[in-house]
Amino acid sequence: AQSVAQPEDQVNVAEGNPLTVKCTYSVSGNPYLFWYVQYPNRGLQFLLKYITGDNLVKGSYGFEAEFNKSQTSFHLKKPSALVSDSALYFCAVRDSGTYKYIFGTGTRLKVLA
Amino acid sequence: KAGVTQTPRYLIKTRGQQVTLSCSPISGHRSVSWYQQTPGQGLQFLFEYFSETQRNKGNFPGRFSGRQFSNSRSEMNVSTLELGDSALYLCASSAETSGKSDTQYFGPGTRLTVL
Repeated sequence: AQSVAQPEDQVNVAEGNPLTVKCTYSVSGNPYLFWYVQYPNRGLQFLLKYITGDNLVKGSYGFEAEFNKSQTSFHLKKPSALVSDSALYFCAVRDSGTYKYIFGTGTRLKVLA
Repeated sequence: KAGVTQTPRYLIKTRGQQVTLSCSPISGHRSVSWYQQTPGQGLQFLFEYFSETQRNKGNFPGRFSGRQFSNSRSEMNVSTLELGDSALYLCASSAETSGKSDTQYFGPGTRLTVL
């Protein structure tokens, strides 16, 4: 079965420091991986996705993600965190058989001023 | 293009009642999925409709049902509401023109409170 794991419930980082939100996946076949962000009382907003090609994917708001096939990881990164980046982040993979999107449990990012 | 819209945004019901939530996908999108989000359980998949047919289903009781119309708009219905049904219900749509790489876009959600 396809799955994603977000090992950290919460990540704290100081403003201006680089941030990383971790995601690992388990799929059969080629992975289609996504990152979303959710601000309070809002729906999820798409940040970026990996389909194929370059292992470093660039997305919205200065975020990027690194796809690592050998480690089955798709970590979200940003070189310099902003307080406004504080939100809930979800990693997702699309099941190649059923087409379902499978979401991780979410990681709460807190950027401290 | 307008984004995914959901109505109503907020809803208060009492136990035993039923409720219908509506979702209008992005124009041209053929797939609509529904999710339940609660603080304790996270994001739980309810079901997905594609071209008016239910393509996928999550592990929810039969009180939760949905449908999709020919214009791709979707509704979900919850009958005999329970306190535990209080949640943010999210709708998401995708075009399904590029296969598995398509991105799902979410609406703002409907906040349902069951008293």
